[in-house]
Amino acid sequence: KQEVTQIPAALSVPEGENLVLNCSFTDSAIYNLQWFRQDPGKGLTSLLLIQSSQREQTSGRLNASLDKSSGRSTLYIAASQPGDSATYLCAVPTSYNTDKLIFGTGTRLQVFP
Amino acid sequence: DVKVTQSSRYLVKRTGEKVFLECVQDMDHENMFWYRQDPGLGLRLIYFSYDVKMKEKGDIPEGYSVSREKKERFSLILESASTNQTSMYLCATTTGAGDQPQHFGDGTRLSIL
Repeated sequence: KQEVTQIPAALSVPEGENLVLNCSFTDSAIYNLQWFRQDPGKGLTSLLLIQSSQREQTSGRLNASLDKSSGRSTLYIAASQPGDSATYLCAVPTSYNTDKLIFGTGTRLQVFP
Repeated sequence: DVKVTQSSRYLVKRTGEKVFLECVQDMDHENMFWYRQDPGLGLRLIYFSYDVKMKEKGDIPEGYSVSREKKERFSLILESASTNQTSMYLCATTTGAGDQPQHFGDGTRLSIL
């Protein structure tokens, strides 16, 4: 059964730092991986979706990489800002060719001025 | 932009009541999902629908049922609410093509007293 782990559980950094958030999954037979952001008391917002055939995706200051063989993905945030403070979650399909996702428990990020 | 609307942001009900949570999407997406989110447990899938009147159980369907009479609307029903169903409930949709992210509503924080 697929399991998803995110490390660290929480992170507090000063503004301007470059960050790396980690996501690990146990079954490498995935066809995509998604990163989401969640603000307190709100729903999830999709940040990036990486297909299994891709190694990375970029959106603004965010870059997500995928290494299927090692069961890992990283979300890189460049030049962090206080507005980046949120919980970041990764998710993979529960099995091949399904839209049902299994989520990690997230990394809570705080960026202070 | 995809819009996913959940009928209530906050809801307080009593033990034993029948509770309806509504979710409406405006993008003609095939797939709709209901999750609950609890501290330390992350997001867990309750039910999933891949077409009108079609549904599939998720990981924690006990105590819940769903209804999808129209493509744009997916309802979650707590047949007889219990205190252990106090949680944040999140609705999500996706196209069903397998290469698009899930889009979430803002969530309903449900308290059962």
